[in-house]
Amino acid sequence: NAGVTQTPKFQVLKTGQSMTLQCAQDMNHEYMSWYRQDPGMGLRLIHYSVGAGITDQGEVPNGYNVSRSTTEDFPLRLLSAAPSQTSVYFCASSTPRRPDRVYNEQFFGPGTRLTVL
Amino acid sequence: AQRVTQPEKLLSVFKGAPVELKCNYSYSGSPELFWYVQYSRQRLQLLLRHISRESIKGFTADLNKGETSFHLKKPFAQEEDSAMYYCALRSWSNQFYFGTGTSLTVIP
Repeated sequence: NAGVTQTPKFQVLKTGQSMTLQCAQDMNHEYMSWYRQDPGMGLRLIHYSVGAGITDQGEVPNGYNVSRSTTEDFPLRLLSAAPSQTSVYFCASSTPRRPDRVYNEQFFGPGTRLTVL
Repeated sequence: AQRVTQPEKLLSVFKGAPVELKCNYSYSGSPELFWYVQYSRQRLQLLLRHISRESIKGFTADLNKGETSFHLKKPFAQEEDSAMYYCALRSWSNQFYFGTGTSLTVIP
């Protein structure tokens, strides 16, 4: 299994440009999420999905869109990039928490380092 | 509201010294708690989960429901332990809440 993969690894955008960060997982996980990581602020949840066709907002959703057409893929779209969106973006996946599942860790992708000029 | 607090942003210890990274949480239910580690420019990876009560790379963490804490401990720090450590809580709605992280530096 490849686990959680993200592309690209690095990206530089100009203010106002749009782009899509790709995320895929091959573990058949229902739950997927996007975080941004900023110095001194830890990881903040942008959007998440509990299954194909279902998405919801996290802590910092403004300026980002997501969709979940398949179980495997969860792309993150920046509609009009702003310098405040310069960050490292991590995608993660996990199985839902259930009493019969003891180990419910979240698996992370390698991250996308985005710079907006 | 669910919250995870890591009071120390930076922590430096000498090699061979004990290390404790603090984590406190607030959650109105039965939490599932984790410690994740991120080595320089790498992805986050699971270090410990409270439910398995295991020791990984010499680290242990005990859930103290009375003090709502899940501190990470290691009796003798090694240089390779230098990394960013995140405490995380998983709610019953499957959301993960992360602390702001503690950057641990082990001085040779």
